[in-house]
Amino acid sequence: AQKITQTQPGMFVQEKEAVTLDCTYDTSDPSYGLFWYKQPSSGEMIFLIYQGSYDQQNATEGRYSLNFQKARKSANLVISASQLGDSAMYFCAMRDNQGGKLIFGQGTELSVKP
Amino acid sequence: DAGVIQSPRHEVTEMGQEVTLRCKPISGHDYLFWYRQTMMRGLELLIYFNNNVPIDDSGMPEDRFSAKMPNASFSTLKIQPSEPRDSAVYFCASSFGLRELFFGEGSRLTVL
Repeated sequence: AQKITQTQPGMFVQEKEAVTLDCTYDTSDPSYGLFWYKQPSSGEMIFLIYQGSYDQQNATEGRYSLNFQKARKSANLVISASQLGDSAMYFCAMRDNQGGKLIFGQGTELSVKP
Repeated sequence: DAGVIQSPRHEVTEMGQEVTLRCKPISGHDYLFWYRQTMMRGLELLIYFNNNVPIDDSGMPEDRFSAKMPNASFSTLKIQPSEPRDSAVYFCASSFGLRELFFGEGSRLTVL
């Protein structure tokens, strides 16, 4: 069975600093995808970044990068140069590439301090 | 381009009433998901469809919940009868293949 774990319920970071949000996963499937979503206080779910299990390089999208360590089954999100607008809930998710099922972790609430 | 469209955005109803939530996925997307979000349980997958066929409904809480996808452009999630513990935000999301999901704005349900 698939499982996603985010062990940090809340985190603080100083504006302009980098921050790492942790995510570990468990699956017996060889092919899967890993995703990060942002949910601001307004409630919408915003897709940030994707990593395929067979991708050789870590994914990057602007200030977001995904630190993918397949052997450790971790997919941490790194946000560089934090901005006040980065304050939000962040969800890690995993998708099974056989059936297409996508499940979410519990989320991490990030607060960026000025 | 239109995103995923959910209705109603807000619903307040009384215990025992039937609730129907609606979703129009992005045109051309072949996967559709229904999630429920609460503070206590986070984002729970209720059911998902591929090409209008339900693939996994193991997350549906009980027989009071049902979901249908009669065609590629419409899905419903029905709760009958509703209970206060069903109060939550219900999200619909769609994807093309196995890439990222695009979410609707959610339907906030309050059952009194």
